[in-house]
Amino acid sequence: DGGITQSPKYLFRKEGQNVTLSCEQNLNHDAMYWYRQDPGQGLRLIYYSQIVNDFQKGDIAEGYSVSREKKESFPLTVTSAQKNPTAFYLCASSMGQRNGYTFGSGTRLTVV
Amino acid sequence: QKEVEQDPGPLSVPEGAIVSLNCTYSNSAFQYFMWYRQYSRKGPELLMYTYSSGNKEDGRFTAQVDKSSKYISLFIRDSQPSDSATYLCAMSPSGGSARQLTFGSGTQLTVLP
Repeated sequence: DGGITQSPKYLFRKEGQNVTLSCEQNLNHDAMYWYRQDPGQGLRLIYYSQIVNDFQKGDIAEGYSVSREKKESFPLTVTSAQKNPTAFYLCASSMGQRNGYTFGSGTRLTVV
Repeated sequence: QKEVEQDPGPLSVPEGAIVSLNCTYSNSAFQYFMWYRQYSRKGPELLMYTYSSGNKEDGRFTAQVDKSSKYISLFIRDSQPSDSATYLCAMSPSGGSARQLTFGSGTQLTVLP
């Protein structure tokens, strides 16, 4: 079945540690996105990529980094510079905004 | 002021009730309007998609767009406990870059059996 796979489902990070969240899609979608979801704040865009080897900052990119070396993969690194990383992270992809987005099942990151 | 406003609820209704979920927006350039359903600890799934003004019906779900009032609605008829979820509205302008999908903050709905 086509879809988006995010891993791991749950992730724990120690203070000062970098962690990487995985996102893989087999939908042949060109565009991929990373969102952060906090209670009562909806979805906030971290980074997005419209083509391989190109990506753009979203509204809350500070403390995060991404890469897009393959069409299918768009990993997100939460760096130690992100001061409040505890949140639910969602990856999405689309073939263009007219078709809406397909979301993964999310990764819940907790700082311990 | 946020570009898209959505009442967060929570909203509780008895099974079989008609549910009305709403969003208002300020950007008159929005042309594409969507509703996503998100179950607890899951990613959102696309429920309804409309372009410009008008109504769209799919089974028990009806999406309405009133661009003159900058107001969109999602109606759920004969609501079921399985409809209990958070509903997110989303919208984007015509053309533009891929990043321009703006989400509401979501309304949490519980349908009581």
